[in-house]
Amino acid sequence: GAVVSQHPSWVICKSGTSVKIECRSLDFQATTMFWYRQFPKQSLMLMATSNEGSKATYEQGVEKDKFLINHASLTLSTLTVTSAHPEDSSFYICSARARTTYYEQYFGPGTRLTVT
Amino acid sequence: QKEVEQNSGPLSVPEGAIASLNCTYSDRGSQSFFWYRQYSGKSPELIMSIYSNGDKEDGRFTAQLNKASQYVSLLIRDSQPSDSATYLCAVKDYGQNFVFGPGTRLSVLP
Repeated sequence: GAVVSQHPSWVICKSGTSVKIECRSLDFQATTMFWYRQFPKQSLMLMATSNEGSKATYEQGVEKDKFLINHASLTLSTLTVTSAHPEDSSFYICSARARTTYYEQYFGPGTRLTVT
Repeated sequence: QKEVEQNSGPLSVPEGAIASLNCTYSDRGSQSFFWYRQYSGKSPELIMSIYSNGDKEDGRFTAQLNKASQYVSLLIRDSQPSDSATYLCAVKDYGQNFVFGPGTRLSVLP
């Protein structure tokens, strides 16, 4: 149980275009999902917390107009990187929080974005 | 600001030995504690969770929690080369805040 999927697993796009990444909890309902970014050899950086049916909460320094998050249902959250630039190239990972007593987070496999 | 600290490593242990990974946290109100394993180029995988003081064992893994000392550790017995990865400590408070440490890189030498 507690499987989280992400799509696509990798994507290459041209500078200035937008890319959408989907995150799905496959076998549990997730009222809260998290989006992280990880650069090579660095630790996870939380970008935003996404609650179903409400606006996402962004971490300081993360542009909400550039990284659009939609949490449309209890099993799906999407991250859209708008007007992508090469510096947005990174490993984007979502996680979903289980509705259990201790609220474990389960991670998706990640999406590797390369902006050329 | 709530902080979770880990030695970045690398921690090198010979195959078959016990690997000991440590984590300290700053928020005394922290409620839940987790250990994740992350292989290079992959996303983190939850391997242990612990909520009360003492030890919790799961196969070759043992998590130890000491809330008074604000310290949580992970022991890996009979370490295998396949255990070589970065181990992330994560701490959750009463709310939604979930703070990750920077991770400790473990290398198990055959």
